[in-house]
Amino acid sequence: DAGVIQSPRHEVTEMGQEVTLRCKPISGHNSLFWYRQTMMRGLELLIYFNNNVPIDDSGMPEDRFSAKMPNASFSTLKIQPSEPRDSAVYFCATRGGVNTGELFFGEGSRLTVL
Amino acid sequence: RKEVEQDPGPFNVPEGATVAFNCTYSNSASQSFFWYRQDCRKEPKLLMSVYSSGNEDGRFTAQLNRASQYISLLIRDSKLSDSATYLCVVRDSGGGADGLTFGKGTHLIIQP
Repeated sequence: DAGVIQSPRHEVTEMGQEVTLRCKPISGHNSLFWYRQTMMRGLELLIYFNNNVPIDDSGMPEDRFSAKMPNASFSTLKIQPSEPRDSAVYFCATRGGVNTGELFFGEGSRLTVL
Repeated sequence: RKEVEQDPGPFNVPEGATVAFNCTYSNSASQSFFWYRQDCRKEPKLLMSVYSSGNEDGRFTAQLNRASQYISLLIRDSKLSDSATYLCVVRDSGGGADGLTFGKGTHLIIQP
């Protein structure tokens, strides 16, 4: 298996622009997580899906952030409009079962908002 | 608020030395514990789970102290390749809703 695949790996955009980050989970993994990592705040959980259904989105900073998982093979995280404080590395991670603590992370999407 | 606290370091350690660092957690009901490793500009990866009785994986030993609410990671005979950030992860009993809380990590630098 190729693992969790994220795109783009890097994105530089200007404040106010829409940003869409994409994730392809490991086949068969039914839990998907979006995390954001910064030096100041570490890894923060943004949203968690189980069987394509959003279970916990309490970590989504504000209405500018939205996430979807239209099917078991694809998820998106969208920021509209983007702001400089959104600059971070965004990780998608998946888990094979609810009873395991092992998350498999993608390589991350490094976002810079100017 | 769930808290998982780690000394950010960096810990500068000569190659071959033994190094240990701790992580404290605030929720006494926490059920499961893990150490993840994150290399510079890479994604986190599971290093090892932490079991109640303590466990070893090669040069790595993890221990849990429930009474004092901390877990530890000890690395023996450290290698240059051990240089990384080590993330402590705690899972609460409500694991169905994720329940995983990551510490901010301890940065380890092994020096030749």
